[in-house]
Amino acid sequence: DIVMTQSPLSLSVTPGEPASISCRSSQSPLHSQGNYFFDWYLQKPGQSPQLLIYWGSNRASGVPDRFSGSASGTDFTLKISRVEAEDLGIYYCMQGLQTPYTFGQGTKLEIK
Amino acid sequence: EVQLVESGGGLVQPGGSLRLSCAASGFTFKSYWMHWVRQGPGKGLEWVSRLNEDGSTTNYADSVKGRFTIYRDNAKNTLFLQMNSLRDEDTAMYYCTRDLAGAQAYWGQGILVTVSS
Repeated sequence: DIVMTQSPLSLSVTPGEPASISCRSSQSPLHSQGNYFFDWYLQKPGQSPQLLIYWGSNRASGVPDRFSGSASGTDFTLKISRVEAEDLGIYYCMQGLQTPYTFGQGTKLEIK
Repeated sequence: EVQLVESGGGLVQPGGSLRLSCAASGFTFKSYWMHWVRQGPGKGLEWVSRLNEDGSTTNYADSVKGRFTIYRDNAKNTLFLQMNSLRDEDTAMYYCTRDLAGAQAYWGQGILVTVSS
């Protein structure tokens, strides 16, 4: 199984400041077609998770452009350029290249 | 608007069975892979199973293989998860999701399954 390791597991950010979350996979989730089958999700308190970024760097429909994703081999980064209060919650990375699909442990973002 | 609505959860004793349903609307159901993802109380996300468009290809997490069966009724736009031989560790919120090239593009609101004596 591909193991996904996130860091940090928690962070506290002042509104307006940037934030960054990393995820490392034990094997590259690079598909033969050239896309990373790697995603970022946000689970806000009391809600279902929602897709933020797919294929490593593509924003899902309706996701604000302050969210961006980057990918290189087995290292992935989610960046929030300016954190807003509504961004609090738990962020998960996931690989969808091979089954079993696997998630990271989650990173809890708190707002100062 | 894409909607996924789960039902069929509840309290069941260890060793018992439940069947979850997911009613889909707002998209061409028969054209998409579908998945089940679960989340134990206070825990992270765990992928459970997936099914291809016509129901001919399935995959399962090792933790549920041989006990859970995923299937679909494309005429009724409904996804199912038959869960047998339930264990305490199967207690979780179960989410139905729609695929987008491996990503879980849309999620239902979730349905709670509690396995307890």
